[in-house]
Amino acid sequence: GAVVSQHPSWVICKSGTSVKIECRSLDFQATTMFWYRQFPKQSLMLMATSNEGSKATYEQGVEKDKFLINHASLTLSTLTVTSAHPEDSSFYICSAKDGGFHGYTFGSGTRLTVV
Amino acid sequence: AQSVAQPEDQVNVAEGNPLTVKCTYSVSGNPYLFWYVQYPNRGLQFLLKYITGDNLVKGSYGFEAEFNKSQTSFHLKKPSALVSDSALYFCAVRGTGTASKLTFGTGTRLQVTL
Repeated sequence: GAVVSQHPSWVICKSGTSVKIECRSLDFQATTMFWYRQFPKQSLMLMATSNEGSKATYEQGVEKDKFLINHASLTLSTLTVTSAHPEDSSFYICSAKDGGFHGYTFGSGTRLTVV
Repeated sequence: AQSVAQPEDQVNVAEGNPLTVKCTYSVSGNPYLFWYVQYPNRGLQFLLKYITGDNLVKGSYGFEAEFNKSQTSFHLKKPSALVSDSALYFCAVRGTGTASKLTFGTGTRLQVTL
């Protein structure tokens, strides 16, 4: 079946540094990937839609200069949190449109802690 | 705009009893409806989806959901709950003709006890 690999599973970084999170579709090509943020005990908030070879579409209120998304190939999208601050600490989840297998397949998530 | 409501923050059920997790939706056009389960510090796992066809959809781990167009509902059900079913459940909707974005409900925590 469709599998999406997300790395790292967890990361701790110092305030002011940047962190990159990778999302890979392992057995299918994903022209469209999505990045979500989840706060404790809350639902998933869509941050942006990533399309291969083009600029990401950000949801209202999401800072595109802070959350850089790159979708350079059909199997890889990356989210870079630039100049991270403690308020960026959260659980980030990616998903990919899997060509109809389930519709959408999700990565296992990344727990980011900024200290 | 599309939206999903999960009216219950938590559902408690004894093992062996049937369970229902409620979901209602609002969307333009025909809906694509999904249920996902999330375990702590994990991503979402697909349970089932409704695209078209039979209103009763059977999914993974013995779960099923019934699409009710008149009530705009898509409740998740299981005839006999297991302790291992305890997790966070999300309902999601996508309308036809949209930019493929899923909109999620706020989630319902299912607690199954012995």
